[in-house]
Amino acid sequence: QSALTQPASLSGSPGQSITISCTGTSSDVERYDLVSWYQQHPGKAPKLLISEVTKRPSEISSRFSGSKSGNTASLTISGLRSEDEADYYCSSYANRRWVFGTGTKVTVL
Amino acid sequence: QLQLQESGPGLVRPSETLSLTCSVSGGSISSGNYYWGWIRQPPGKGLEWIGSLYYSGSTYYNPALKSRVTISVDTSKNQFSLKLTSVTAADTAIYYCAHTLAAAFDYWGQGTLVTVSS
Repeated sequence: QSALTQPASLSGSPGQSITISCTGTSSDVERYDLVSWYQQHPGKAPKLLISEVTKRPSEISSRFSGSKSGNTASLTISGLRSEDEADYYCSSYANRRWVFGTGTKVTVL
Repeated sequence: QLQLQESGPGLVRPSETLSLTCSVSGGSISSGNYYWGWIRQPPGKGLEWIGSLYYSGSTYYNPALKSRVTISVDTSKNQFSLKLTSVTAADTAIYYCAHTLAAAFDYWGQGTLVTVSS
């Protein structure tokens, strides 16, 4: 199974918005509304930000939002803050298996 | 609040078997419509799904690792385990166990580093 494709890095200034893309195939991202997003700070376990494309756990800031169009899912971070500097991963369920994205390093300038 | 904790040897010799256990607290591993999974992350690299166990006992594995992986459950201890055979240096990674809800990994263990070296 091939990893989902994400940009290697993105950057933005505080207060700006950035969008991370996650491109899969007709067998995973496009077929299932089961895309999730994770934030990982150095030395820490990943943290769930978004499930089922758009659903946000109650403890996650509304600055994080998800969407999907065809075989590409997206995570938007609005009002960028210094604490958002981290690695971000998408994941998709695909018929009794899971596949992760390649990961995106977000830098807050 | 569900909590997961990985345990096992931090060093494994090449060609041997890597064995890890995930202890679950704050909930029963055998209740609910949930999956329990293993994910790994080589140093400085991305996440890789290894496999998952359904609460009923069914297992699903990454095709790339399927021939070497076994995930099992011990409901009496509220634990599930990972065995990876014939390891090489490429299997050096932080190994995480996680709970899955609606196909998302919502609770994670802190991770344990396993180094494959002689």
